[in-house]
Parts: sequence; structure tokens; C-alpha cells
Amino acid sequence: ELKVEQNPLFLSMQEGKNYTIYCNYSTTSDRLYWYRQDPGKSLESLFVLLSNGAVKQEGRLMASLDTKARLSTLHITAAVHDLSATYFCAVVSTRRGGADGLTFGKGTHLIIQP
Amino acid sequence: DAGVIQSPRHEVTEMGQEVTLRCKPISGHNSLFWYRQTMMRGLELLIYFNNNVPIDDSGMPEDRFSAKMPNASFSTLKIQPSEPRDSAVYFCASSFGGLGGGIAKNIQYFGAGTRLSVL
Repeated sequence: ELKVEQNPLFLSMQEGKNYTIYCNYSTTSDRLYWYRQDPGKSLESLFVLLSNGAVKQEGRLMASLDTKARLSTLHITAAVHDLSATYFCAVVSTRRGGADGLTFGKGTHLIIQP
Repeated sequence: DAGVIQSPRHEVTEMGQEVTLRCKPISGHNSLFWYRQTMMRGLELLIYFNNNVPIDDSGMPEDRFSAKMPNASFSTLKIQPSEPRDSAVYFCASSFGGLGGGIAKNIQYFGAGTRLSVL
């Protein structure tokens, strides 16, 4: 059974600081997703990482994938309050009929304080 | 595009009642997913469809849960009878898979969710 573990699960940090969220998964997968969820809202796709060594950046967020280590990281640079949210990684657990069933991590609840 | 549309946004019902959640996927998407989110268990995939056909329902918790997709623009998730432990936020998501689609292929786009409370 595929397991997806994120750490930390809770993170409180100050504006302007850098930090990294880690996502480990237990079986091989050819793609990994990062999503953001604001309180009481839906999930928004941030990144899809397709291959070993893939790196994607959007503003202050940068995601990377190491398929050999089964590890993805989401790095936050010079955090700002607007990045406060819960961040999920998700890994393909089943692929049938051209559709990917995803297993999500528990999420990292990020609070950025002024 | 309006995105994935779910209804109702909130549902409060009593134990034993039938509950039906509805979803309209993004036009042109050929895969549809139902998830459940709770504090204790996080996000769980319940079932997904490809070209209106159920592909994997291994996440459906019990026979009380059923899902249908009668056409490419509509799906329902039904709970009968409902129980308090079914209280959760239920999300529907859709994606485009198969040939073409580029980097956006298989990215799942989520609806706003239905918050279900079973008393």
C-alpha cells in the first residue's frame, strides 16, 4: 500500500524566512503533485513533477523531485503572509483507463506571521 | 470555464437519511474523482471514473456509498443510509487524460466541496 508522508505537519514561521516541506512516498511513481488549500476552500494545483530531478518554481515556491530517494521538497523563499495555507503532496497510486488515482499526504499547515 | 461545480455546498441531515451529492466536471475532461476529507483521515480517494465508466471504487468505505456518472457532464455520490461518521467535506475533481493534453494532462481540478453534517 502506498504511503505518503509529509513533514512537518504544522509549521509556524516568520515573514522573510526560508523553509522546506518534505514529502516522502513508499513506492515508485512517475509523477508527483503539490496542491494548496486555503481554510474552508478547495484545492488548487501548484506543481506537477514528472521526472527525476524535475524542478519547478512559481514566485516564492520551488518544488523538486528525487524519484530515487522517493522524495519531493517544497521550498519557500522569503515567506510572506499570503502563503499561509495547507500544502499537500500527492502521488499516483493507481493508473487505469488513462486516469490517475492519487494518494495524498496529510498536509502541512503553514502559518506565516508578520 | 466555470470549473468543477458541486452542489449543495452544505448539507445537514439526520442519521438514516439518504444524501445525494452532485458534481459537474470541467467540460472536455474525461476523468472524474470523488474524495472525502476529514481531520482524522485527511484526503481519501473514494472512486474515480474514466469516460463515464467507474474504474476504481476500492476507496468506497461501505455498501452504503454509491456513485454514478450517467453522462460526461454529471456525477452523483449517494449515501444511504447516512451515519454521523460520514460527516466530512466531499470533493469532486476532474482531469483530462489520454493522448495529448501536454503538461496539464492528468492534473486534477477540484470543486469547492460539499460539507456534509450527519446528526
